[in-house]
Amino acid sequence: QVQLQQWGAGLLKPSETLSLTCAVYGGSFSGYYWSWIRQPPGKGLEWIGEINHSGSTNYNPSLKSRLLISVDASKNHFSLELSSVTAADTAVYYCAGAPVLYLLQTVDYFGMDVWGQGTTVTVSS
Amino acid sequence: SFELTQPPSVSVSPGQTARITCSGDALSEQYAYWYHQKPGQAPVLVIFKDSERPSGIPERFSGSSSGTTVTLTISGVQAEDEADYYCQSADSSGSYALFGGGTKLTVL
Repeated sequence: QVQLQQWGAGLLKPSETLSLTCAVYGGSFSGYYWSWIRQPPGKGLEWIGEINHSGSTNYNPSLKSRLLISVDASKNHFSLELSSVTAADTAVYYCAGAPVLYLLQTVDYFGMDVWGQGTTVTVSS
Repeated sequence: SFELTQPPSVSVSPGQTARITCSGDALSEQYAYWYHQKPGQAPVLVIFKDSERPSGIPERFSGSSSGTTVTLTISGVQAEDEADYYCQSADSSGSYALFGGGTKLTVL
């Protein structure tokens, strides 16, 4: 049974860099795509980006210029850095994992079936 | 641009059938995934690949797809099904994912 534990700073000032890490326990680290999702207060879910065990990434185009998602497969960790934050980045941030199967020319994706506990990040001066 | 459109709210009485739709051009080429989220909790996957149900999800949850619209159906709705429901898919090239705006299911 895969479980996720996430951590990082919860209070930032405008222009600082948001940094979160998610640790993966149990299961196959290489058998998942690892994602970050956020949810502003009272609003819906926003997909931020994803990474696999070898470091291949996909990013939300609206955040791409400020975003870095990285992986440390030796520690079964993956991380999020979002630079130049503003109040609009205030949200609960979740890490999540989607099991995948690597086929010849594509990746078979089974949806995000494991989630972290969420981290509340507030950006305020 | 790629968008997924859901109704903001759906209301049903206990025991009735709830249907929540999600529309978007890319849905004709990409699978949809459905999540429910209760207040203060992380989302939970209830349907993957349009119509597959993860283990542990009750049989009353089902999904279907037709053209550019996918539908989550909850048969015999129970009070515990009251939650926000989100569809998720990918752009036509599979380069990035997107969530719909969410639908609040109210059990009257």
